[in-house]
Amino acid sequence: EVQLVESGGGLVQPGGSLRLSCAASGFTFSSHAMNWVRQAPGKGLEWVSTISISADNTYFADSVKGRFAVSRDDSKNTLYLQMSGLRAEDTALYYCVKSSSSFYYENWGQGTLVTVSS
Amino acid sequence: EIVLTQSPATLSLSPGERATLSCRTSQSVSSSLAWYQQKPGQAPRLLIYNASNRATGIPARFSGSGSGTDFTLTISSLEPEDFAVYYCQQRYSWPRTFGQGTKLEIK
Repeated sequence: EVQLVESGGGLVQPGGSLRLSCAASGFTFSSHAMNWVRQAPGKGLEWVSTISISADNTYFADSVKGRFAVSRDDSKNTLYLQMSGLRAEDTALYYCVKSSSSFYYENWGQGTLVTVSS
Repeated sequence: EIVLTQSPATLSLSPGERATLSCRTSQSVSSSLAWYQQKPGQAPRLLIYNASNRATGIPARFSGSGSGTDFTLTISSLEPEDFAVYYCQQRYSWPRTFGQGTKLEIK
């Protein structure tokens, strides 16, 4: 069974930094692209970032480009999202998502909540 | 950026009825479109990919159609557990984008 468990969320002041982690199990982590998708309270879904197999390519939404970095450690089956320069509008539930072979969002974690507030 | 517009925003139907949800894209995405279902307090679930393929474990009452810029998710006969929010999403180009969602509520 695929499991994706996010951690690292919390309350942070504007301008602060936070690193999210996603521990993956139940599948061959190194064989799948991975993603972060967020959802602000009461709002819709917003794609944040994608990292390809072997981390050859990374992609970011314009709203986070230059402030967020994504990485993966295939030896630890873990995905990361390093967030800096956080803003109030980054407040959201951040989901770790496994890509299918067709690059859709096949499996989702339960999310970790990031709150940016003074 | 490709904008996805879903309609209606809210759809009120009764169990057993047929639901038709629409997703229109601002430019062609070929068949590179998916549908997701999200229930309150839960993560989204992939229902349909490549416009018309059901994901693993998805009941046959869910079907998707369309290509280019106009797509439809149909639920042939609503079950109580189908009342949720539905999102479409394109993977044709970067950035990946989602529609704003359609809330399917019990009438």
